[in-house]
Amino acid sequence: NAGVTQTPKFRVLKTGQSMTLLCAQDMNHEYMYWYRQDPGMGLRLIHYSVGEGTTAKGEVPDGYNVSRLKKQNFLLGLESAAPSQTSVYFCASSGTGANTEAFFGQGTRLTVV
Amino acid sequence: GENVEQHPSTLSVQEGDSAVIKCTYSDSASNYFPWYKQELGKGPQLIIDIRSNVGEKKDQRIAVTLNKTAKHFSLHITETQPEDSAVYFCAASRDYQLIWGAGTKLIIKP
Repeated sequence: NAGVTQTPKFRVLKTGQSMTLLCAQDMNHEYMYWYRQDPGMGLRLIHYSVGEGTTAKGEVPDGYNVSRLKKQNFLLGLESAAPSQTSVYFCASSGTGANTEAFFGQGTRLTVV
Repeated sequence: GENVEQHPSTLSVQEGDSAVIKCTYSDSASNYFPWYKQELGKGPQLIIDIRSNVGEKKDQRIAVTLNKTAKHFSLHITETQPEDSAVYFCAASRDYQLIWGAGTKLIIKP
């Protein structure tokens, strides 16, 4: 029972490079989220999706794009990476309806040099 | 928008003692308050949650209390054990968008 799986686990990028982070869940959840976690700041929502084919902006969406072409996958893209995007990224999913338990992946540690 | 403040940022307690972590929120419309535990190198995991129509909830050694009037909620861990060492996050929500506290690092001293 995999739950939420993130790929890759670690990545180092040069400023200006692009990359895509992949999140896959096998719980048939409608809601999926991308967060970034920085020291002393908790988790901040980047983008989220309430179902296949839908996406919406969270608290800190600038510099990121997302897509949800399949219900089980949620992709986070960085078109032109900046050092300020150095962070740990977490994907999460939750069932239909508001205020249900969110299940998190293991995280992706991204460093932009 | 919603703002969640969490205190303390670090808490060190003797094994067997109790630990209390407190959070305040700003949006009176928030109605869901979960607590997550994050162990080193892992994603956060839900340990307990409470909804605005309940004042207290308990699950074995863990309890959460909610004061809607004062807009604060607290996590209580009794008889702390070494495996309770982790970072704990509170959050508040009125829909599907959780707003998170900054986290509390709980250290259990042997």
